[in-house]
Amino acid sequence: AQSVTQPDIHITVSEGASLELRCNYSYGATPYLFWYVQSPGQGLQLLLKYFSGDTLVQGIKGFEAEFKRSQSSFNLRKPSVHWSDAAEYFCAVAINAGGTSYGKLTFGQGTILTVHP
Amino acid sequence: EAQVTQNPRYLITVTGKKLTVTCSQNMNHEYMSWYRQDPGLGLRQIYYSMNVEVTDKGDVPEGYKVSRKEKRNFPLILESPSPNQTSLYFCASSLLGYGGGAILFFGPGTRLTVL
Repeated sequence: AQSVTQPDIHITVSEGASLELRCNYSYGATPYLFWYVQSPGQGLQLLLKYFSGDTLVQGIKGFEAEFKRSQSSFNLRKPSVHWSDAAEYFCAVAINAGGTSYGKLTFGQGTILTVHP
Repeated sequence: EAQVTQNPRYLITVTGKKLTVTCSQNMNHEYMSWYRQDPGLGLRQIYYSMNVEVTDKGDVPEGYKVSRKEKRNFPLILESPSPNQTSLYFCASSLLGYGGGAILFFGPGTRLTVL
């Protein structure tokens, strides 16, 4: 079964600083990869996804993520953080079985991002 | 507006009193799923459904039931709730197809407390 690890439970950055949130997965092949964001009191919103092709993917709100097969990683980055980026971020993987995930999505434990003014 | 709705948003109940949390989506999505979110554990899948009358267990199905009689609705049923089911519950839906079942649209969540 696939698994996802987000090593950092809580990260604090200053507004305007760069950000990198780490995500490592365990799966026998290349899965579908996702980052979701959860603002306080809200549901989850998809930031970006990787299915195949270019390993650097762009998402909403200025986020990007890079898939590194050799490291089984899918780290999320943003060059300059805004105070409104404070939220909890979840990495997720789904089985890539010839074009369908069979409904099996596994989430990491989440990383809480705090932004100092 | 395309959305996933859940009701109720907040619920406090007592051990053993059956309850149902409703979930409805207006996007004609085939796939629907229930997750529970607990601190430090992320989101864990309870049940999912690939289409009407097609449901399957996720990672933590014990103590829960679901049904999918209509495409738009996917209620979560707790026949005899226990305190360890106190959690934040999310319903989600998605189209199938390429990457299907994975690009999820989430509801706003239901915070359940079982005393």
